[in-house]
Amino acid sequence: DAKTTQPPSMDCAEGRAANLPCNHSTISGNEYVYWYRQIHSQGPQYIIHGLKNNETNEMASLIITEDRKSSTLILPHATLRDTAVYYCIVRAPRGATNKLIFGTGTLLAVQP
Amino acid sequence: EAQVTQNPRYLITVTGKKLTVTCSQNMNHEYMSWYRQDPGLGLRQIYYSMNVEVTDKGDVPEGYKVSRKEKRNFPLILESPSPNQTSLYFCASSATGGYSNQPQHFGDGTRLSIL
Repeated sequence: DAKTTQPPSMDCAEGRAANLPCNHSTISGNEYVYWYRQIHSQGPQYIIHGLKNNETNEMASLIITEDRKSSTLILPHATLRDTAVYYCIVRAPRGATNKLIFGTGTLLAVQP
Repeated sequence: EAQVTQNPRYLITVTGKKLTVTCSQNMNHEYMSWYRQDPGLGLRQIYYSMNVEVTDKGDVPEGYKVSRKEKRNFPLILESPSPNQTSLYFCASSATGGYSNQPQHFGDGTRLSIL
């Protein structure tokens, strides 16, 4: 799975959009970009994933650059409950284990 | 509501006393998995199951057992718990496993303390 690089921490004002970047310059053609988040000691929560097109769901939007070497997760109106560690994971659909490997992620602190 | 349910959420017990952590999902998912999370080590996969009666070892299976007799349930069994199994445990499921792009959905976690 391709290596990802995320900033260790970010701040965002409540009500504003939070834009979380992720670099994955070695991504392969069949690798998907997944975003999860983990609020302190709770279970990781799936947010969104995509291959090459931009994706949107009720939680967030995922913008993937045309060369697929980086992506941005957008939380359109951040709330205090969005304070969490956000993980960008790049992986291909292969291997029976289907295990996820979480890096160090980005700690997003939403400020009132 | 679609969810993965783990029980108990918290457990303090003693070395050698057998325990079971239950995991149940209501999404008719084929794939289920157990992870443990420890400070500085991230999430590590213990066991996984591709479907009923199909289970396999993950990266850290020693000291654990699992079973998958029904699609919705995937209990984690510690036959003789030891203090090094003190950890935060997560169960996860996805619609399909293996060669799939389906995301995994996690339970709220079980914090085990083995004295």
